[in-house]
Amino acid sequence: GAVVSQHPSWVICKSGTSVKIECRSLDFQATTMFWYRQFPKQSLMLMATSNEGSKATYEQGVEKDKFLINHASLTLSTLTVTSAHPEDSSFYICSREGLAKTDTQYFGPGTRLTVL
Amino acid sequence: KQEVTQIPAALSVPEGENLVLNCSFTDSAIYNLQWFRQDPGKGLTSLLLIQSSQREQTSGRLNASLDKSSGRSTLYIAASQPGDSATYLCAVRADDYKLSFGAGTTVTVRA
Repeated sequence: GAVVSQHPSWVICKSGTSVKIECRSLDFQATTMFWYRQFPKQSLMLMATSNEGSKATYEQGVEKDKFLINHASLTLSTLTVTSAHPEDSSFYICSREGLAKTDTQYFGPGTRLTVL
Repeated sequence: KQEVTQIPAALSVPEGENLVLNCSFTDSAIYNLQWFRQDPGKGLTSLLLIQSSQREQTSGRLNASLDKSSGRSTLYIAASQPGDSATYLCAVRADDYKLSFGAGTTVTVRA
């Protein structure tokens, strides 16, 4: 069964509003989770690494004030897209680390965000 | 910066034909390489994981090879079925857990 869930699976919002996406690790307490963004027919791009109890680490070019990440517990990380604009419309996917470094990452089902 | 390229971008074959998907990466200092399957509008399903010390992995009709020194991996799918239609993503992991993905190969298997 699924080991990572995301909510909502899709969301439509108006330009200028904020949207929160939740990512839950269902079977494992994850100190580290990851957020990716995928534009149509493009590869997944890592946005940030979410660390439980500390600040997220953002990849170069990702605005940390626009994409707020909170990892308040070992099973929940949230991504808030603030003041969303149409260019933020994308597929957002989270993942959690495996049990060992040799393990795969486990991915959530993704959230489709459409900003009107 | 690691660059991952997948060729071809799209592939259409009749049912029963074998599939060959290619992945190349620029930095050979990888920890492991993974192949994922992604169905439209869905998340990723892990197919095969090859550690940097391994040459290949097999699971059922799937076989993946890794040549780290030349920066190449190939995913073979034997006797393709319509249910194999999906996008296949290659990802390499650096020592810091981060994954670098290719853009994927979209496969269509015609019944």
